[in-house]
Amino acid sequence: GQNIDQPTEMTATEGAIVQINCTYQTSGFNGLFWYQQHAGEAPTFLSYNVLDGLEEKGRFSSFLSRSKGYSYLLLKELQMKDSASYLCAVVPGGYQKVTFGTGTKLQVIP
Amino acid sequence: DVKVTQSSRYLVKRTGEKVFLECVQDMDHENMFWYRQDPGLGLRLIYFSYDVKMKEKGDIPEGYSVSREKKERFSLILESASTNQTSMYLCASMEATGTDTQYFGPGTRLTVL
Repeated sequence: GQNIDQPTEMTATEGAIVQINCTYQTSGFNGLFWYQQHAGEAPTFLSYNVLDGLEEKGRFSSFLSRSKGYSYLLLKELQMKDSASYLCAVVPGGYQKVTFGTGTKLQVIP
Repeated sequence: DVKVTQSSRYLVKRTGEKVFLECVQDMDHENMFWYRQDPGLGLRLIYFSYDVKMKEKGDIPEGYSVSREKKERFSLILESASTNQTSMYLCASMEATGTDTQYFGPGTRLTVL
């Protein structure tokens, strides 16, 4: 079976840095996605990791450790508009059936 | 830009009604998906299709069926709607492999009374 764990909620201050963790146990692994979803809207793609290490994209970075079944999303210089849910999603052995975590709701406060 | 559209943003139906949710994508993607999203449960896969007339069950197919007669269109059907099918329904499309990102439609919030 597939199991993905993320914290349910986090709060961080505008201008700060926040790290959202994701741990997974899946039958096979072919990569991990991070999506952002604002309330009432569709998820949108943030990053995709398949190899170990850190991938940086502007204010957002994503890290993967395949041996530990662990990933994190790092958001720097937080802005109010970053208040959203962040979804971790794993591509297991069967390529089409991506499995999503329950998401982490991030609230950015002034 | 990829565009995925869904037929309705909000829908209210009565128990026992047959419900059709339509999804259309304009990027000639092979794969299309139907999810439902509920608080605390995240996105759960109902059905997906990897080609015209091809479909596979996801994690929660009970009470649902799907149709894909054309590549760009993927329909979700609730044969007899029940109150526990009240949810947000999201359609997505993706190119050939699972290592491509999925593009999501805006969602349909279905309420079954």
